[in-house]
Amino acid sequence: KNEVEQSPQNLTAQEGEFITINCSYSVGISALHWLQQHPGGGIVSLFMLSSGKKKHGRLIATINIQEKHSSLHITASHPRDSAVYICAVRGTQGAQKLVFGQGTRLTINP
Amino acid sequence: DSGVTQTPKHLITATGQRVTLRCSPRSGDLSVYWYQQSLDQGLQFLIQYYNGEERAKGNILERFSAQQFPDLHSELNLSSLELGDSALYFCASSPGTQYGEQFFGPGTRLTVL
Repeated sequence: KNEVEQSPQNLTAQEGEFITINCSYSVGISALHWLQQHPGGGIVSLFMLSSGKKKHGRLIATINIQEKHSSLHITASHPRDSAVYICAVRGTQGAQKLVFGQGTRLTINP
Repeated sequence: DSGVTQTPKHLITATGQRVTLRCSPRSGDLSVYWYQQSLDQGLQFLIQYYNGEERAKGNILERFSAQQFPDLHSELNLSSLELGDSALYFCASSPGTQYGEQFFGPGTRLTVL
């Protein structure tokens, strides 16, 4: 079992729909990151969370430390949101490496 | 634009060869991280440098090595290349070693034929 599991692996929706991507992890963490990878390959950091909730534009990320679970929400989805969304966690033992989920491929159709 | 630069963008080489990938971190960032993204393994951490010193090591093969120079740029050296080394190699940087956000470069796509 991977330390970081994302669901769903693939998600197709219509423009305007509310999107939720889930991430569960099995280790203690100091922070959780949500990343976006566009078809061209580049990776953009969306959020870094250690507790609670963060919002940036139409994107909202939440984390529940007790349940070891995080969600990424996209409101009023748009075709330009089509990308792979990757959850990554940073451990607590001093090493700063990120452990990544397998990613969720999101396709928003017009 | 994250401020992290990587060269080259694409690299095609043959098995058995050696290549060097280069990364320049964001201005002021002292930590550099190298990641490999292959189709079957996803993203994996390779190695971290902080201000010239190795700080953490992940799933980096012995055929691979890295260093960070006094001007803080970093190089990842891959030798005795195999077909399975074909992947996207990302560099990221952050200000320090603690719990900061990491900023990713555009990646180098390595193809080993």
